Amino acid sequence: DTAVSQTPKYLVTQMGNDKSIKCEQNLGHDTMYWYKQDSKKFLKIMFSYNNKELIINETVPNRFSPKSPDKAHLNLHINSLELGDSAVYFCASSPGTSGAPTYNEQFFGPGTRLTVL
Amino acid sequence: AQSVTQLGSHVSVSEGALVLLRCNYSSSVPPYLFWYVQYPNQGLQLLLKYTTGATLVKGINGFEAEFKKSETSFHLTKPSAHMSDAAEYFCAVSGSRGSTLGRLYFGRGTQLTVWP
Repeated sequence: DTAVSQTPKYLVTQMGNDKSIKCEQNLGHDTMYWYKQDSKKFLKIMFSYNNKELIINETVPNRFSPKSPDKAHLNLHINSLELGDSAVYFCASSPGTSGAPTYNEQFFGPGTRLTVL
Repeated sequence: AQSVTQLGSHVSVSEGALVLLRCNYSSSVPPYLFWYVQYPNQGLQLLLKYTTGATLVKGINGFEAEFKKSETSFHLTKPSAHMSDAAEYFCAVSGSRGSTLGRLYFGRGTQLTVWP
């Protein structure tokens, strides 16, 4: 009964390939996020979807494309992978994005370690 | 804009000693503040959060933090360290309204080592 799950846990691929990471949450939350954690463990938000609508799109290369088929799922597709894309990618979810404080608590998945060779 | 500075990328303490991890924030609106813990090869787990109300907040595993607006700080403390506390700790801030909602900005983390 994992709250936020990601697949795969590890992903090793060659430069230039296209890959996808999947995320699912069973918390009934409306909002989902993708974060990137680099080799120095710095975490940075990439995208956020609220009820399947893109609401946050930080300065991320166009090769990264999130897709939310429904509010329980947020996938991340990466085209033409580069060495610098190697990182741990975390999915998170929160109840929503209204001003109510409880809406802003984010629950994180276990991460997907992407290694580009 | 929001940002977080964590002073000290590595902190070492003896088992039973006080743990103090420092966090200073910058926010253009009233902030929501969070501490997360990351154990090796795992995701982030919320330790505690400050949103509104009481400025001293208690979290899981005996941790607490105090929001000090005048000092723009949200330091994390635990009176007595345990070996199981060894992990990476992240302080994060988000805004409380408008476009700042939902955007968690993280500090660069503090690795806590606990010596027996």
